[in-house]
Amino acid sequence: GAVVSQHPSWVICKSGTSVKIECRSLDFQATTMFWYRQFPKQSLMLMATSNEGSKATYEQGVEKDKFLINHASLTLSTLTVTSAHPEDSSFYICSAVRGSSGNTIYFGEGSWLTVV
Amino acid sequence: DAKTTQPPSMDCAEGRAANLPCNHSTISGNEYVYWYRQIHSQGPQYIIHGLKNNETNEMASLIITEDRKSSTLILPHATLRDTAVYYCIVRAHTGTASKLTFGTGTRLQVTL
Repeated sequence: GAVVSQHPSWVICKSGTSVKIECRSLDFQATTMFWYRQFPKQSLMLMATSNEGSKATYEQGVEKDKFLINHASLTLSTLTVTSAHPEDSSFYICSAVRGSSGNTIYFGEGSWLTVV
Repeated sequence: DAKTTQPPSMDCAEGRAANLPCNHSTISGNEYVYWYRQIHSQGPQYIIHGLKNNETNEMASLIITEDRKSSTLILPHATLRDTAVYYCIVRAHTGTASKLTFGTGTRLQVTL
């Protein structure tokens, strides 16, 4: 079964509103989680690294004020897309590092965001 | 700035072995070779990883060359459900190189 769960699986929101996506590790604690975005027929693009108890590290070109990441507990990280626009419509995927040695990363099922 | 090179697509007949190559000529000594696959509209699925020895699990085998500059993922008996995009990724377990950076992958099509 799934070891990393995302919610919601899909969401439709109006332009200008904010939407929150949750990522949970189900049976392990994850000090590090990653957030990706994937457009149709393209590969996954890493957006940011989320570390429990500290600020997220964003990849170059990713607006930290637009994509707010919070990793308040060892099993939960959230991504909030603020003031969403149609171009933010995408497949958002999280992953969590399992194990103190960081050797295995599991991915969530992904969340489809459509901004209308 | 993916560090791996994979063919964009491959076909394989159902029941036959699928051999997916990957070049990673600039791999560092502390970087592992990881393989993930992504079935359409789903999150990537972990397959296998290794450092320098060949590895096998219930899903696949990973063959890494002695110089570690390339590797091959082997699906011994491909089925239609193995149709997916397969990503080969090099990754360290600690530090800034521990991120999983995806390249374009190989789109494997398993046919009857």
